[in-house]
Amino acid sequence: GAGVSQSPSNKVTEKGKDVELRCDPISGHTALYWYRQSLGQGLEFLIYFQGNSAPDKSGLPSDRFSAERTGGSVSTLTIQRTQQEDSAVYLCASSPTDGYSTLHFGNGTRLTVT
Amino acid sequence: RKEVEQDPGPFNVPEGATVAFNCTYSNSASQSFFWYRQDCRKEPKLLMSVYSSGNEDGRFTAQLNRASQYISLLIRDSKLSDSATYLCVVNSPLSSGNTGKLIFGQGTTLQVKP
Repeated sequence: GAGVSQSPSNKVTEKGKDVELRCDPISGHTALYWYRQSLGQGLEFLIYFQGNSAPDKSGLPSDRFSAERTGGSVSTLTIQRTQQEDSAVYLCASSPTDGYSTLHFGNGTRLTVT
Repeated sequence: RKEVEQDPGPFNVPEGATVAFNCTYSNSASQSFFWYRQDCRKEPKLLMSVYSSGNEDGRFTAQLNRASQYISLLIRDSKLSDSATYLCVVNSPLSSGNTGKLIFGQGTTLQVKP
C-alpha cells in the first residue's frame, strides 16, 4: 500500500519567506511525527500528534514554527520568516497507534534557505 | 543532558568482525526501545525492537539494561551492506501515562571495510 508521502521533496526559499511542508501519513495511522535532520546530525524531534489528544509541541525550536493536523490525517508544518539555520531535511513519520509502534517515514523535504 | 545519547563513531571494522554499539537514556520511565538504520541520504527504517529479555534477529542482537539505562546492539559477522548509521530510539512517557513521543539518538556510524 501507499507509504508516507511528503511534499515538496525539495524547497529552496529566500531568507524571510514563509514555507509550508506537507505530510500525508499512511491511512489509519493515528500517530504522526515531524523531525528535523541537519547534515551529519541525528533526528531532532519537533512535534507529535496522537489521535485527538493535544499535540506535543515541545520540540518546536521557536514560535516561527507551527504545525497542524487536519481531520486526523494530513499534516502541514509551517515555518515563518525562514532563517538560514532552518535549512535541513524535514522528516514526517506515522505509526499505527502510539509510542510502542514502528515509525514509517516519508522521504523527507530538503529545505534550503538562501 | 540529552534524553538519548550515542557515541557517533565512526566505527570502522573489517568484514566478518563483531561490533557493538551502546546507547544510554535518561528517563527511567521509558518503556519502548528500538534500533533504526539509516542509509546515507535515506529515511530511517526500523531494524529491530528491543525487548526486556533481549532479542536476536539473525546476526543482530539487542539487549536492554534497565538498571543502568542503556541498550545495546551487537552485529556479528559484519557485511559490507551493514555500513550505515544506527539510531537508538526511546519513548519519552508523559506523567499522564501516555507513551509520549519517540526520541532519537544522534546515531552511530558504522563503516565495514573489505
